[in-house]
Amino acid sequence: ETGVTQTPRHLVMGMTNKKSLKCEQHLGHNAMYWYKQSAKKPLELMFVYNFKEQTENNSVPSRFSPECPNSSHLFLHLHTLQPEDSALYLCASSQDILGGVEKLFFGSGTQLSVL
Amino acid sequence: QKEVEQDPGPLSVPEGAIVSLNCTYSNSAFQYFMWYRQYSRKGPELLMYTYSSGNKEDGRFTAQVDKSSKYISLFIRDSQPSDSATYLCAMRGQGAQKLVFGQGTRLTINP
Repeated sequence: ETGVTQTPRHLVMGMTNKKSLKCEQHLGHNAMYWYKQSAKKPLELMFVYNFKEQTENNSVPSRFSPECPNSSHLFLHLHTLQPEDSALYLCASSQDILGGVEKLFFGSGTQLSVL
Repeated sequence: QKEVEQDPGPLSVPEGAIVSLNCTYSNSAFQYFMWYRQYSRKGPELLMYTYSSGNKEDGRFTAQVDKSSKYISLFIRDSQPSDSATYLCAMRGQGAQKLVFGQGTRLTINP
């Protein structure tokens, strides 16, 4: 398998549930990202990891908790979400942290609905 | 004022037409300019990548950057129904880690 793989593709959860999103990249990249894509809004960067270390938390509420056990895997743990958190959650990776000519490669996303 | 402005559309054109997609931006420090294409129920994929000003051509696609006007464009020649997607512009400054995206323009090419 190649590229960036995200599971599950769709997730429906109640406000009191706890769930996790998974991302795996098969590109040998060192940096991984979580983005949120809401209807009629630009992509919002949530978290950045470089060599398993978190380098950016873009003022994301604590009900979203990222985990990066190694350079190939990234998780987003969700708990006590709000309906406004419903969105497409995209994982991305790049060879190294963005700075020069690095390019982002995205997964297909997890479509999350919070009831 | 948003850092990057992009008309969300929707834009609908007949097959074979020339399509022009545009973004304006306010941050003069932006140096790297990208266009991503996002098909329905998929993640964005990098389509074109330009550094600083000028034109870049790849097949039916041409990306233009006019830094003096803070304006970038993507032209699609001989448009095909398979070009129907949402097109996102994105940009960042030299050494900057954060990529700033436009809202995306939804494009439909009608057979």
